[in-house]
Amino acid sequence: DTAVSQTPKYLVTQMGNDKSIKCEQNLGHDTMYWYKQDSKKFLKIMFSYNNKELIINETVPNRFSPKSPDKAHLNLHINSLELGDSAVYFCASSPGGQIYEQYFGPGTRLTVT
Amino acid sequence: SQELEQSPQSLIVQEGKNLTINCTSSKTLYGLYWYKQKYGEGLIFLMMLQKGGEEKSHEKITAKLDEKKQQSSLHITASQPSHAGIYLCGADSGGSNYKLTFGKGTLLTVNP
Repeated sequence: DTAVSQTPKYLVTQMGNDKSIKCEQNLGHDTMYWYKQDSKKFLKIMFSYNNKELIINETVPNRFSPKSPDKAHLNLHINSLELGDSAVYFCASSPGGQIYEQYFGPGTRLTVT
Repeated sequence: SQELEQSPQSLIVQEGKNLTINCTSSKTLYGLYWYKQKYGEGLIFLMMLQKGGEEKSHEKITAKLDEKKQQSSLHITASQPSHAGIYLCGADSGGSNYKLTFGKGTLLTVNP
């Protein structure tokens, strides 16, 4: 059983388009995250949600809008895509309240042309 | 903000050799997490350390946190090709329970 799943795995799109990445976890965790990993493999937190509430927004452009319809889902919508948005985006989840270990999805490789 | 420095950036070893990866924090660590990433995949949790002087082992991997809680090391004994990947340390500074700051990773190659 997949613990944290993301769709799509690959996404190729043109500049200016709007796209969404979906994330679902079946672990019953309260906290979910979005990370961005750039071409140099540097992993950086973007957003954190706890019980559907936004907890952390790490100076991410407002073109990025996370949406959490319920505790098991955290989707990432990106408007007006730019070349610099090309990266691998990881969703993760952890038990509520404290970090403990985070469980990561397989990643979505976004390429903006 | 907290910064984590990992060394070395990359490491190539012969199968069977021991190796150590270091992670140094600019601030006192509340929690230190080690993850492994294989190419094209997500991160896999390895170990978490919270107490100064703490040491944990899983199979051939041992992680330690120093007494001052500012430096951690990951030691692999008798490395195997399956150990190859990117090792990342992540830190929780304690101010927020919803954020991990990651180091830039160490790329490990194990030659058979």
